[in-house]
Amino acid sequence: KAGVTQTPRYLIKTRGQQVTLSCSPISGHRSVSWYQQTPGQGLQFLFEYFSETQRNKGNFPGRFSGRQFSNSRSEMNVSTLELGDSALYLCASSLDRDRGNTEAFFGQGTRLTVV
Amino acid sequence: GQSLEQPSEVTAVEGAIVQINCTYQTSGFYGLSWYQQHDGGAPTFLSYNALDGLEETGRFSSFLSRSDSYGYLLLQELQMKDSASYFCAVRSSSGGSYIPTFGRGTSLIVHP
Repeated sequence: KAGVTQTPRYLIKTRGQQVTLSCSPISGHRSVSWYQQTPGQGLQFLFEYFSETQRNKGNFPGRFSGRQFSNSRSEMNVSTLELGDSALYLCASSLDRDRGNTEAFFGQGTRLTVV
Repeated sequence: GQSLEQPSEVTAVEGAIVQINCTYQTSGFYGLSWYQQHDGGAPTFLSYNALDGLEETGRFSSFLSRSDSYGYLLLQELQMKDSASYFCAVRSSSGGSYIPTFGRGTSLIVHP
């Protein structure tokens, strides 16, 4: 079956602009999480959506937002982009069998560069 | 808050055994997971330990000691393709939320 699909793969934006990233989870997975990965900070949790509701949220400013649609596809939006937002943004989907288990399937990510 | 500590880099030779340690500080601990990520690739789930002890999956094993807040990933019969970054991760509760936290990653370099 198809894996997690993220689009676009690469993106270059200018400071102050906004950006929307898309994620299609594995069929049947209702939980979608977003992460920011940078060399300096590693993998940091942004938020998690389950059944169109934000269930958990990491420690990021309000410029970072997301949503999930009825088909479980998810989007994340970053407004008023800053240079420090340059990162690999990863989406992960899971079956959500067990809250303790972080088993998740990651997409290839969107490489965002802010100039 | 939650924090995980793991070595930044480990080197080994092909065919050897290597252990990557992870210590954590967290509240409402539910379990420890391990992921592998090759350069330019997506993280891939390797294992999950909710209870103390060793879990074996082929050449990879993962161990957890909840009383010591410690776990490790053991890779046996190392192959060149095992060169990658390895992350430990916990999911813990905080104020009603369940936040996954990842370690900074250990870069494993396998030499021929």
